[in-house]
Amino acid sequence: KQEVTQIPAALSVPEGENLVLNCSFTDSAIYNLQWFRQDPGKGLTSLLLIQSSQREQTSGRLNASLDKSSGRSTLYIAASQPGDSATYLCAVGDDKIIFGKGTRLHILP
Amino acid sequence: EAGVTQSPTHLIKTRGQQATLRCSPISGHTSVYWYQQALGLGLQFLLWYDEGEERNRGNFPPRFSGRQFPNYSSELNVNALELEDSALYLCASSFQVVGAATDTQYFGPGTRLTVL
Repeated sequence: KQEVTQIPAALSVPEGENLVLNCSFTDSAIYNLQWFRQDPGKGLTSLLLIQSSQREQTSGRLNASLDKSSGRSTLYIAASQPGDSATYLCAVGDDKIIFGKGTRLHILP
Repeated sequence: EAGVTQSPTHLIKTRGQQATLRCSPISGHTSVYWYQQALGLGLQFLLWYDEGEERNRGNFPPRFSGRQFPNYSSELNVNALELEDSALYLCASSFQVVGAATDTQYFGPGTRLTVL
């Protein structure tokens, strides 16, 4: 049974710092891995999708990596801004979409 | 281009009643996914519809059901509501090629269901 774990559960960092969010999954037989952002009371925003054949994807200040063999993905956020404050969810796609519980990120102005 | 829309925004029901939630995907998307986010829990996958057929369902009882219409919009029905069904229900759409890796999912704002 696929399980997705995100560490840390919460993170506070000063504005301008680079940071890394971690995601691990137990079954490496995945189709893809996706990172989402969720703002309080709102729906999800898809940030990056990494297909199983890929190792990383980049969008602006965001970079996501995928290591299937070790069952890990990281989301790297460069030069963090207060507007980056949100919950970040990692989701693994195989027969279903399995979500982690997220990391609550707070960027301190 | 319009995004995924969901209605209603909020829905209040009492135990034992039925709830119907609606979702309109992005134009051109053929797949619709339903998720439940209950308080304190992560997002849970409910259902996946593509081309009018149910392709997969999560670990939810049969009283959670739905359908996809010819225009690719979708309904989620929850029968015999229980207090624990109170949650944010999110719908997502994607352009799905059956047998291929799934494409990026785009989410709607959600429907907040409260069961009293």
